[in-house]
Order: sequence, then structure tokens, then C-alpha cells
Amino acid sequence: AQSVTQLGSHVSVSEGALVLLRCNYSSSVPPYLFWYVQYPNQGLQLLLKYTSAATLVKGINGFEAEFKKSETSFHLTKPSAHMSDAAEYFCAVSRNTPLVFGKGTRLSVIA
Amino acid sequence: GAGVSQSPRYKVAKRGQDVALRCDPISGHVSLFWYQQALGQGPEFLTYFQNEAQLDKSGLPSDRFFAERPEGSVSTLKIQRTQQEDSAVYLCASQQGRGDYNEQFFGPGTRLTVL
Repeated sequence: AQSVTQLGSHVSVSEGALVLLRCNYSSSVPPYLFWYVQYPNQGLQLLLKYTSAATLVKGINGFEAEFKKSETSFHLTKPSAHMSDAAEYFCAVSRNTPLVFGKGTRLSVIA
Repeated sequence: GAGVSQSPRYKVAKRGQDVALRCDPISGHVSLFWYQQALGQGPEFLTYFQNEAQLDKSGLPSDRFFAERPEGSVSTLKIQRTQQEDSAVYLCASQQGRGDYNEQFFGPGTRLTVL
């Protein structure tokens, strides 16, 4: 079975500071990994995905994530937070299964 | 349309009522998924269609939940005899291809409140 653990249900950063949202996965097969963002009253939007090509994946809005097999991690980072980044972020895993999501991390950005 | 649409956006039902939630996927998308998102949780898979065929319904929580996609486009999720624990946001997503590495495009969801 596949699963995702997102450490920290709520992360708060200052505008311009580094954003780091943590995701660890469990999978018995090489996984596909995704980060989605959800703004209030909207559906989820794909930020980036890892599908066994380059381990450092660049996504939209300046976000990137690095797949580390030895650590079973896929942490999401952004060098400089913007107010518009405030949202809920979900890590998800799949491989021959439907998407399995983590519980999400709410990112707050302080001016 | 430009994206996935869902209707209604909000639904309040009395316990025991039947509800029907509609999903209009992106035109031409083969795959369609339904998810249930409880408050403060991530989405959880309910069921999956490839065209009109329901290939996986392992996530449906009980036989009160039923989904269909008769013409391979619009889909309806029906919940019979609603219970309070059914209160959640129901998300629909469509996908162009069949591979699980492809991006799923999500609708805004239907927020169901059962009183």
C-alpha cells in the first residue's frame, strides 16, 4: 500500500523567506509523486510532479521539489515566499493505483 | 469548457435525503475521478471511470454511494439516505489519458452538508 505523510499541518513564513513543506512517502514500487495547491473554495491545481526522470523537479510559481529515494522524501521548496502563496498544499503518491493524498499543510505568509 | 465544472457548489440535505452531484469534465478527457475531502483532510479516492466504464469503485464508503458516467462525459455521484458523516467536499477530476503519471484537473468541488 502507498501512503504519504506531511509533517506540519500549518507552516507560517515571512514574506521573502524560504518555504519548506515536508512530504515523506511509503511505496512498495517506484512511485510517482505530486504536489498540488488548493486555494480557498477552489479545486486542486498541480504544482509539479516526479515521474522517475530528473530527481529535482521544477514547477509553477517558482516551486521545486527533490526526490530523495534514500530518505523517501519529496519536500517542496520556494526560495522566497510571496503573499499569493498562502494556500493549502497536498503531497500525493501513485503508481498503478489512484492518487493517495497526504492530509495537507496550510501555508500562511506574513507581511 | 475551459475546466472541470461541478454543480451544485453547495448542497444542504436533511439526514435521509438522496442527493445527486454533477461533474462536467474537460471535453475529450478519457478518465474521470471522484474524491471525498473531509474537513481538514486530504482528498480520498472514491471511484474512477475510463470513458463510460467504471473501472474502480473500491473507495466508495458504502452501498449508499453510486456513480455513473453513461455517455463517457458528464458524471453523477449519487448518495442515498444521506448521513451526517457524508458531510464533506466532493471533488471531481478529469485526466486526458489513462496513465497514473498524467495530471488530473480538479473541479471546485461540491460542499455537502447533512443536517
